[in-house]
Amino acid sequence: GQQVMQIPQYQHVQEGEDFTTYCNSSTTLSNIQWYKQRPGGHPVFLIQLVKSGEVKKQKRLTFQFGEAKKNSSLHITATQTTDVGTYFCAVPFGDYKLSFGAGTTVTVRA
Amino acid sequence: EAGVAQSPRYKIIEKRQSVAFWCNPISGHATLYWYQQILGQGPKLLIQFQNNGVVDDSQLPKDRFSAERLKGVDSTLKIQPAKLEDSAVYLCASSRRDRWNEQYFGPGTRLTVT
Repeated sequence: GQQVMQIPQYQHVQEGEDFTTYCNSSTTLSNIQWYKQRPGGHPVFLIQLVKSGEVKKQKRLTFQFGEAKKNSSLHITATQTTDVGTYFCAVPFGDYKLSFGAGTTVTVRA
Repeated sequence: EAGVAQSPRYKIIEKRQSVAFWCNPISGHATLYWYQQILGQGPKLLIQFQNNGVVDDSQLPKDRFSAERLKGVDSTLKIQPAKLEDSAVYLCASSRRDRWNEQYFGPGTRLTVT
């Protein structure tokens, strides 16, 4: 499937701080999805980005699609313990299939 | 609406034994996926169904893995015989055909092969 690289692999954050995680592709993407998986849980769909430069917000989470549609970022402000988990980006390949990145695992220090 | 159901939640077997997983997708979702998630990695697609037909099984190890989706609803994934490297969480997901990239995952089956 399509290869995407997520950085960093691990993100340790002090509660209340901001951080950003990135998803990079070597090829142009038609769209990109973000999923969140809580510890011991299953992936949950967060958002889809389609347009070049698109920015979408969900409360303290800001998702952005790069102008060249080769990368995306997820920025979380004022991190809370509820933000703990692994964030995956997923990109389409073939017909109606998704390829998931390796994820960024977020831990929060209270 | 009810979510994706999977059973069992946990399974421990010895290598060379067989195991089967069951999935019931969200009602009305035509597309069903089986993923394998190894610890520390993202989900890897094994097979994709559209209604009761296989759309893509190119990443399914067909010498030991098989899957079916009878009547276009429930699905089963079987491993026979299991190997140590099959230890993983097996996730079932479903989606509407027109919103296939918004996939709803079940709780998964954690398989341990000893």
